Amino acid sequence: AQTVTQSQPEMSVQEAETVTLSCTYDTSENNYYLFWYKQPPSRQMILVIRQEAYKQQNATENRFSVNFQKAAKSFSLKISDSQLGDTAMYFCAFMLTKTSYDKVIFGPGTSLSVIP
Amino acid sequence: NAGVTQTPKFQVLKTGQSMTLQCAQDMNHEYMSWYRQDPGMGLRLIHYSVGAGITDQGEVPNGYNVSRSTTEDFPLRLLSAAPSQTSVYFCASSSTLRTANQPQHFGDGTRLSIL
Repeated sequence: AQTVTQSQPEMSVQEAETVTLSCTYDTSENNYYLFWYKQPPSRQMILVIRQEAYKQQNATENRFSVNFQKAAKSFSLKISDSQLGDTAMYFCAFMLTKTSYDKVIFGPGTSLSVIP
Repeated sequence: NAGVTQTPKFQVLKTGQSMTLQCAQDMNHEYMSWYRQDPGMGLRLIHYSVGAGITDQGEVPNGYNVSRSTTEDFPLRLLSAAPSQTSVYFCASSSTLRTANQPQHFGDGTRLSIL
């Protein structure tokens, strides 16, 4: 069975600084997708970034980038130039590509606070 | 605005009561799903549907029923509410079976408390 672990329940960062959120996962499969979702206090789930396991290049979306280490099964999220609006719960998620449906497995989340 | 609409946003039930959480999307998405979110556990898949008339169980289906009579609607039913079902419930939809190509769109959630 696949599992997703986020070892940091809570983190904080000063505005304009950089923060890295950790995520590790466990799978015996070779082809899969990884995601980071953001959930602000409004509770809306927002896709931040996604990574295909077969791609070696780390995904980047503006101030958000990932460090994907396939051998180590690690998928950390780096937020540069942190903004107050980045305050949210961040969920790491995993999805196999061979399933007939989109079963996405979520980690327990990391609560990030950006301090002015 | 187009998207996923969940109603109600909040609900309090007594143990043993029944209730239906509504979910509707106007994006003509084939795939819809229900998750529950509990502290420290992330989101867990309850039920999902790959199209009208087709539903299947997810990770934690016990105590919940679903149906998909139309593409737009995917209601979640609690037949006999239990305190263990106190949670925040999210409905999501996507246009393809490969969510990686099209991200899932989530509703705003329903906070459900069972007394």
